[in-house]
Amino acid sequence: QVQLQESGPGLVKPSGTLSLTCAVSGGSISSSNWWSWVRQPPGKGLEWIGEIYHSATTNYNPSLKSRVTISVDKSKNQFSLKLSSVTAADTAVYYCAREGGGNSASFDYWGQGTLVTVSS
Amino acid sequence: EIVLTQSPGTLSLSPGERATLSCRASQSVSSNYLAWYQQKPGQAPRLLIYGTSSRATGIPDRFSGSGSGTDFTLTISRLEPEDFAVYYCQQYGSSLYTFGQGTKLEIK
Repeated sequence: QVQLQESGPGLVKPSGTLSLTCAVSGGSISSSNWWSWVRQPPGKGLEWIGEIYHSATTNYNPSLKSRVTISVDKSKNQFSLKLSSVTAADTAVYYCAREGGGNSASFDYWGQGTLVTVSS
Repeated sequence: EIVLTQSPGTLSLSPGERATLSCRASQSVSSNYLAWYQQKPGQAPRLLIYGTSSRATGIPDRFSGSGSGTDFTLTISRLEPEDFAVYYCQQYGSSLYTFGQGTKLEIK
């Protein structure tokens, strides 16, 4: 059973950089799956941030592309998110998720989510 | 970017009733790339349906998906108490995933 666990600071100052890591267990990050970050502002809907493959190939949401970097560490079986120049609008629960593979284009495993608040 | 619009915003039904949730896309979506999720308060979304009509592992057969082109539907045949939650549709196209704004299914 694949499990994903997000970690990182829960509070980030405006104009700073949000940094989160997703640890994958019960499976290999080098499998034939893409790995994504999705966020959800309090009381609102879901927004896809971007994805990475174990080869380090990435795709980003154009609305966030200029501020986002997703990287992978195969030795630690984890991937990470950096979001720069944050504002209060970036306050959200951040989820990591696995794309199901086999051309499913959907997310079959999710972390429990971590709330990141942008505030001084 | 393909925009997904879900309706209704809120659906009030009783256990045992049938629920029909709609997801309309601003342009045609490949049937392979339309999914549905259930989210309960304080929890991560849970994949219900992928590829328009394929149930994810462990999902009861009272959940079914259908549709094509720009109009897709999630049907819950007989509502159980645990089915009351928020439901999201999601599509993939041009290396971008987008979600609908959600339908809240509440107990009447």
